[in-house]
Amino acid sequence: GENVEQHPSTLSVQEGDSAVIKCTYSDSASNYFPWYKQELGKRPQLIIDIRSNVGEKKDQRIAVTLNKTAKHFSLHITETQPEDSAVYFCAASGAGGGNKLTFGTGTQLKVEL
Amino acid sequence: DGGITQSPKYLFRKEGQNVTLSCEQNLNHDAMYWYRQDPGQGLRLIYYSQIVNDFQKGDIAEGYSVSREKKESFPLTVTSAQKNPTAFYLCASTLGEITGELFFGEGSRLTVL
Repeated sequence: GENVEQHPSTLSVQEGDSAVIKCTYSDSASNYFPWYKQELGKRPQLIIDIRSNVGEKKDQRIAVTLNKTAKHFSLHITETQPEDSAVYFCAASGAGGGNKLTFGTGTQLKVEL
Repeated sequence: DGGITQSPKYLFRKEGQNVTLSCEQNLNHDAMYWYRQDPGQGLRLIYYSQIVNDFQKGDIAEGYSVSREKKESFPLTVTSAQKNPTAFYLCASTLGEITGELFFGEGSRLTVL
């Protein structure tokens, strides 16, 4: 089955700096890669996703890049703000894995003033 | 107000007891999922169901059971066979294919005393 690894497990940045979180996946058939944000005490929510036919996708201050050859994808947050502090999860799903998502272990992002 | 409702929010159980966590959605979603969240381990899939009266095991199904008698309901039973049941449990749903947003409930925290 699919295996998703996520790094780093914790990340601390200064407000205004950029943050990058990286994930690798094992199943070359995976074709959908979402990112979820979970604020403290709240439910995870989708913030951005990318499909395998696209190399990069942007939405305001967040962007995701995908390298299918290397089987890794990354989340980029620019101009970080205190409200970006949360746990971020990457995930992967593929045609060969059934109608389900496999999540990474999460990254605790802390944006310091 | 559409969404996913999980209950109870907090649950305490003695060892050897079975407990059932409720998950109800009024989004008219076909697929429903149960994830377990432990610190440092991300979200791990327990069971999922794509249609009524059908469900599949996820990565950590041992010690759990589910049913899907109605489209809007997907209860999870944590049995006494689950060796380490203390965790945060999240229910989620999606309209159809997993390549769309996964909507999560607010979670149920189970503590075994």
